[in-house]
Amino acid sequence: ETGVTQSPTHLIKTRGQQVTLRCSSQSGHNTVSWYQQALGQGPQFIFQYYREEENGRGNFPPRFSGLQFPNYSSELNVNALELDDSALYLCASSSDLQGVRNEQFFGPGTRLTVL
Amino acid sequence: QKEVEQDPGPLSVPEGAIVSLNCTYSNSAFQYFMWYRQYSRKGPELLMYTYSSGNKEDGRFTAQVDKSSKYISLFIRDSQPSDSATYLCAMKRPSNTGKLIFGQGTTLQVKP
Repeated sequence: ETGVTQSPTHLIKTRGQQVTLRCSSQSGHNTVSWYQQALGQGPQFIFQYYREEENGRGNFPPRFSGLQFPNYSSELNVNALELDDSALYLCASSSDLQGVRNEQFFGPGTRLTVL
Repeated sequence: QKEVEQDPGPLSVPEGAIVSLNCTYSNSAFQYFMWYRQYSRKGPELLMYTYSSGNKEDGRFTAQVDKSSKYISLFIRDSQPSDSATYLCAMKRPSNTGKLIFGQGTTLQVKP
């Protein structure tokens, strides 16, 4: 069974640029959630995708957008990067939307630095 | 006020000690409670998952949920240097989204 993978591992961008982060969900999982983890903080929910549709969004501006593909992999896009966007971006996959457990399995993250 | 409060530590204990990690929360709608372990520069790894109130034990780990006090705990028995990591509590309401609300995380160091 393949776990959640993310790419790239690290990324450096300058303010105002755009970035795309990628996530491959664990085998058999159809739901993907994205989180932002600032240094020294817990992860914050950005949004969730289920069967290619956005299904729930946290307190993030519209310049944070995403996609989910038919194979359940996902992308996170951030436009007009700001210095405060520097963080670890985590992808988590799960096998159902509202199961009793709905365990979310996290990938290793993409560390984004905005200069 | 944050929905979930967690003392960031750091917490330093000798090998073999019993560790107690705690979180408090304000939203009584939370029904699912989790503890994740995160090693430096890695993604969080699910340790314990509890539904509603009660205790759950898994090896050296015990999770407790007290909904009346809005308080959850994770106990680690016979702590090992390999337990050194950041421990994150997370909570979820019963809804059709997977939105987890995390605490800030507590950094634990177990000294040999």
